[in-house]
Amino acid sequence: DAGVTQSPTHLIKTRGQQVTLRCSPKSGHDTVSWYQQALGQGPQFIFQYYEEEERQRGNFPDRFSGHQFPNYSSELNVNALLLGDSALYLCASSPWAGGPANEQFFGPGTRLTVL
Amino acid sequence: AQSVTQLDSHVSVSEGTPVLLRCNYSSSYSPSLFWYVQHPNKGLQLLLKYTSAATLVKGINGFEAEFKKSETSFHLTKPSAHMSDAAEYFCVVSPTGTASKLTFGTGTRLQVTL
Repeated sequence: DAGVTQSPTHLIKTRGQQVTLRCSPKSGHDTVSWYQQALGQGPQFIFQYYEEEERQRGNFPDRFSGHQFPNYSSELNVNALLLGDSALYLCASSPWAGGPANEQFFGPGTRLTVL
Repeated sequence: AQSVTQLDSHVSVSEGTPVLLRCNYSSSYSPSLFWYVQHPNKGLQLLLKYTSAATLVKGINGFEAEFKKSETSFHLTKPSAHMSDAAEYFCVVSPTGTASKLTFGTGTRLQVTL
């Protein structure tokens, strides 16, 4: 089992550009959550996908959007990048039901730098 | 609403001495509580979790935590620190039940010295 995988590992963009990050969940998991971790801070919840729909959303602007595919993999899209979007973006997967309460497995993250 | 407060941003211990990382939580419903560890340039790894079963929870690498509802605390302890324990530790709260968002504390950086 490869666990949660994310791509790319690192990404450098300029202000105003758009970026897409990708995540493949752990085998057997159908729910994907995305978190933003700014330098020196704890991860902040962005949103969660299950059955190809956004189920929960944190306090992030509409510039942040996502998608989940039938194979449960997911994308995070950020439009009109700002310098403040520079962060480590973490993907986590879990079973929607029937598993340990809310135990989420995290990927290694994508480091986004906005210049 | 739910939140966690990690009372120390930085803790320094000598190798072989006990570790105590403090966490208080606030939750309007029965919470699940977790401790995650993050080593430099690595992803988050689950150390242990509390899900309304035994209040003393044992995790990996000799860590354990005790859920104290009266004190709304979930402190992480280890009897003897090892150099490899140096990392960032996050206390996390979530509603008990099916998949839900995790709310992280601000983290405690553990330094282990010789």
